[in-house]
Amino acid sequence: GAVVSQHPSRVICKSGTSVKIECRSLDFQATTMFWYRQFPKQSLMLMATSNEGSKATYEQGVEKDKFLINHASLTLSTLTVTSAHPEDSSFYICSANSPLQGDSSYNEQFFGPGTRLTVL
Amino acid sequence: QKEVEQDPGPLSVPEGAIVSLNCTYSNSAFQYFMWYRQYSRKGPELLMYTYSSGNKEDGRFTAQVDKSSKYISLFIRDSQPSDSATYLCAMRFGAAGNKLTFGGGTRVLVKP
Repeated sequence: GAVVSQHPSRVICKSGTSVKIECRSLDFQATTMFWYRQFPKQSLMLMATSNEGSKATYEQGVEKDKFLINHASLTLSTLTVTSAHPEDSSFYICSANSPLQGDSSYNEQFFGPGTRLTVL
Repeated sequence: QKEVEQDPGPLSVPEGAIVSLNCTYSNSAFQYFMWYRQYSRKGPELLMYTYSSGNKEDGRFTAQVDKSSKYISLFIRDSQPSDSATYLCAMRFGAAGNKLTFGGGTRVLVKP
């Protein structure tokens, strides 16, 4: 259980175009999802917290008009990188909250497999 | 100074050896401490979590938390080549819904 998928797994686009990344919780409902980005050999940096039915909460330094997040249902959150530029090239990972199997008192973040974005 | 510090490695060990990983942190309000394993170009997967100070064992993995020293550890016994990955420590303030703060990750290589 607690499987999170992302689509696409890889995307290459031209500078100035917009790219949408989907994050789905496959076998559970997630009121809260998180979006991270990870540069090579670096750790995950939280970009924003996505709550179903409300506006996302962005971390300091993350441009909300550039990284549009929509959490329209309990199983789907989308991240749209608008007017992408080469510096936006990164590995984008989402996660979704779910109770841990065998320990319902603890909510764990289950991570998707990531989306590698390359902007030319 | 980063909130969570972790030696980036790489840490190279022979198969069967014990792998010792650790993180230090600065915010004493962290209550939950996690270890994730991340293979190349994949999302992290949870290995273990520990609440407050103490030890926790799961198979070949042992996690230790020393809140007084703001220091956490992960030990992997009888290491296997399949354990080669990047190990990330993470911590959070509460049990549900709070964001994670990650360490930089330690790359581990277990040689056959």
